[in-house]
Amino acid sequence: AQKVTQAQTEISVVEKEDVTLDCVYETRDTTYYLFWYKQPPSGELVFLIRRNSFDEQNEISGRYSWNFQKSTSSFNFTITASQVVDSAVYFCALKTSYDKVIFGPGTSLSVIP
Amino acid sequence: DTAVSQTPKYLVTQMGNDKSIKCEQNLGHDTMYWYKQDSKKFLKIMFSYNNKELIINETVPNRFSPKSPDKAHLNLHINSLELGDSAVYFCASSRGQLNEQFFGPGTRLTVL
Repeated sequence: AQKVTQAQTEISVVEKEDVTLDCVYETRDTTYYLFWYKQPPSGELVFLIRRNSFDEQNEISGRYSWNFQKSTSSFNFTITASQVVDSAVYFCALKTSYDKVIFGPGTSLSVIP
Repeated sequence: DTAVSQTPKYLVTQMGNDKSIKCEQNLGHDTMYWYKQDSKKFLKIMFSYNNKELIINETVPNRFSPKSPDKAHLNLHINSLELGDSAVYFCASSRGQLNEQFFGPGTRLTVL
């Protein structure tokens, strides 16, 4: 069965600190896709990144970076020099070829000015 | 140019009533979804349609009935509303079933 774990329920950091959000997944499928979504206090869900299981290259987009490690079944998300606007709930999600998408429980990030 | 829109944004109703939520996407996607987000922010898929065909039907009470009149629309009708149905309902769409999903703004349903 597929599963996504985000062990950090809530994180608080002071502005300009770096923060890493953990995501650990479980699947027996060899082909799968991992996603991160952001849900700011306004409530909408915003897509951040998609990664397939054959591409372990890390990705950087501005202050955001993602570390995909198949050996540990993890797809962690780092925000560098955090800002107040980064305050949100962040969801990691897993999609395999033959099953529905599974969302993790989310990590609530608070960036304190 | 709203990509995925839902109406209404807020819905307050009495227990036992029937209500509908409408969803439209203008992205040309072939797959649409309904999710329920509870008070603890947990997101759970309810239904998924691909080219107007139901492909995912999770363990949802049969009081919930989705309808897809065309690829751009996926509506959700709920009969005999219960207190436990109070939640935020999100519609989403994607190009195929393996790509990222684009979400609507959500409909906050409150059952009194």
